[in-house]
Amino acid sequence: ETGVTQSPTHLIKTRGQQVTLRCSSQSGHNTVSWYQQALGQGPQFIFQYYREEENGRGNFPPRFSGLQFPNYSSELNVNALELDDSALYLCASSSPRDGEGRETQYFGPGTRLLVL
Amino acid sequence: GESVGLHLPTLSVQEGDNSIINCAYSNSASDYFIWYKQESGKGPQFIIDIRSNMDKRQGQRVTVLLNKTVKHLSLQIAATQPGDSAVYFCAETVYNQGGKLIFGQGTELSVKP
Repeated sequence: ETGVTQSPTHLIKTRGQQVTLRCSSQSGHNTVSWYQQALGQGPQFIFQYYREEENGRGNFPPRFSGLQFPNYSSELNVNALELDDSALYLCASSSPRDGEGRETQYFGPGTRLLVL
Repeated sequence: GESVGLHLPTLSVQEGDNSIINCAYSNSASDYFIWYKQESGKGPQFIIDIRSNMDKRQGQRVTVLLNKTVKHLSLQIAATQPGDSAVYFCAETVYNQGGKLIFGQGTELSVKP
């Protein structure tokens, strides 16, 4: 186990609704990244938060937003849900690159979102 | 554009044999690579990583090889076990690009007893 937890494990929503997904990072990690994984595909980077600030963003529309809290836990918010938002949402925690240039991201179990 | 691709979508091996999973990447600026294992219903699990200034790194039963000349990455699993059955992803990243990991589509490894 990585120590990264996510809630809820499963969620069903309808089009147009809003959803909030939560993530608790591994102890000692101050960076959280969010990914969307469609069925049969690799994870796609949504954004990363470092010390409560957005540190990078992938090709996702503004209706995907996030927060990071002082304890380094994080939320992913998705507004105006669309059918294509159905996916596994993964959270990964990490520390900034170490002296050897390594920044390993450790993933949680994910939240499976179904939009009807 | 940037992409990480896998040569084979599925791989079936006999228990006890060695497995080799391949991955191609196109961004020559990528300087850090990671292999993940994802079992059904779970998040990706870190296996092994390698920096671009290395060409080989070994872990427990796993070895990653990096060939920057042809932009190729491989994961070798020795004495493959049924518990190794999963989807394997390679991922690449570039320092100072906001922590973005670029994943390939994955290779499903099936181990026959």
